Order: sequence, then structure tokens, then C-alpha cells
Amino acid sequence: EPEVTQTPSHQVTQMGQEVILRCVPISNHLYFYWYRQILGQKVEFLVSFYNNEISEKSEIFDDQFSVERPDGSNFTLKIRSTKLEDSAMYFCASSAGRGQAGELFFGEGSRLTVL
Amino acid sequence: AQSVTQLGSHVSVSEGALVLLRCNYSSSVPPYLFWYVQYPNQGLQLLLKYTSAATLVKGINGFEAEFKKSETSFHLTKPSAHMSDAAEYFCAVTPAGSYQLTFGKGTKLSVIP
Repeated sequence: EPEVTQTPSHQVTQMGQEVILRCVPISNHLYFYWYRQILGQKVEFLVSFYNNEISEKSEIFDDQFSVERPDGSNFTLKIRSTKLEDSAMYFCASSAGRGQAGELFFGEGSRLTVL
Repeated sequence: AQSVTQLGSHVSVSEGALVLLRCNYSSSVPPYLFWYVQYPNQGLQLLLKYTSAATLVKGINGFEAEFKKSETSFHLTKPSAHMSDAAEYFCAVTPAGSYQLTFGKGTKLSVIP
């Protein structure tokens, strides 16, 4: 069964360092997303991406964050200068198309720990 | 704006007993509603969705949910719990046409043998 894969599964970084989280969405999907879950809190939407541009983003997704689809398969989330409060589980997701709104397929997550 | 409230962060049921996980939503426009399940060390998996067709929605693994507009609820039920149902369950809402899911805090389901 096709699945979304994320790397790394766990990353530890120092405050102020840049981090790139990588995702390989399901191959025929057109919409890509990042969500995050701070420990003990809700899963929160960060950004959605379609046709090589951001289609929606939340207030959390400030100038420190960026997303990119550098090739035909990867979808990345970059945090330029990490803060302690960026520590969270980051989930990548993809969906097939507009008629499948909300039917997101999630990866297993990348746990980011900022020290 | 939309939001989701899940009553009970932790629910325990005996194997074979009814499972009822509660979700109430608020939305300024007709919503799409979803239940996702997360097993330990795995990503979120779609259980079922409501997108303005039938109000009683059947999902995978014997789960179903009923959309009740008058009560702004979308509770998840299963007639008979199985040990393999132990997981965390998330209710989510999005306005029709948006891809921005708003999740509840989740309800951890434990199944007692």
C-alpha cells in the first residue's frame, strides 16, 4: 500500500540551527501538507502546497519556515533558526485532489527536539 | 473559524463493550468532519469522513459516526471494542473547499481484556 515516508524520524538540534525535514508523498498525490504536534497539545496545521506554491498557511508558519518541492518526489520543511518552542512532532501529509478534501495520508512523523 | 472539542482525553472500555468517543465542533460554514486514528509510533490514518452526504457514516474497522447538525456533534461509535482498537483518536473539521484541518486534542482509547 502506498505510504508517505518521512526522514529523519528523530532529530536533535541546538537552538538557532537550521533544520530540514524531508517527506516523500504518495506518488500520484497533488496536495502536500505539514502539520505539527507539540507534546500534549493538538495537531496543528502549518501549510498546504499545490502546484509548486503555498495554497494555505497558518499563523504558526512565519518567516522562519519554508517549504519546497525540490524534485518530483520530495517535499521539505525548513526551519531557518530553530527555537525551543519548535520542539514538536512534525507530520507530512498528502492528498489526491480537490475532490478528496480532508482525506489526508500522513507519514509517521519526524520528532524535532531543540536544545 | 472552526474548532473541535473532544470530551475526555482518555476513555477505557472492556473488550466487547460499546465504544463512544465524543466530538463537538463549531464552524461558521458547512463543515467537513473527520475521524483519524493514530496507533503507537505511526502516523494518523483516516477512519471516516462526513462531507454533506449521508449523516451516518461508516468507516474502517467497524467504526461509524453520525453527523448531528442540531447538536453540532460527530460522535464516533463501535458496537464491540477489540483489543486492537487501542489507539488515540482525533476528530477534525475543515470548511468545504479548504485543506486546512483543525484537530481536536485527541482521545486515547484503552481496551481492557
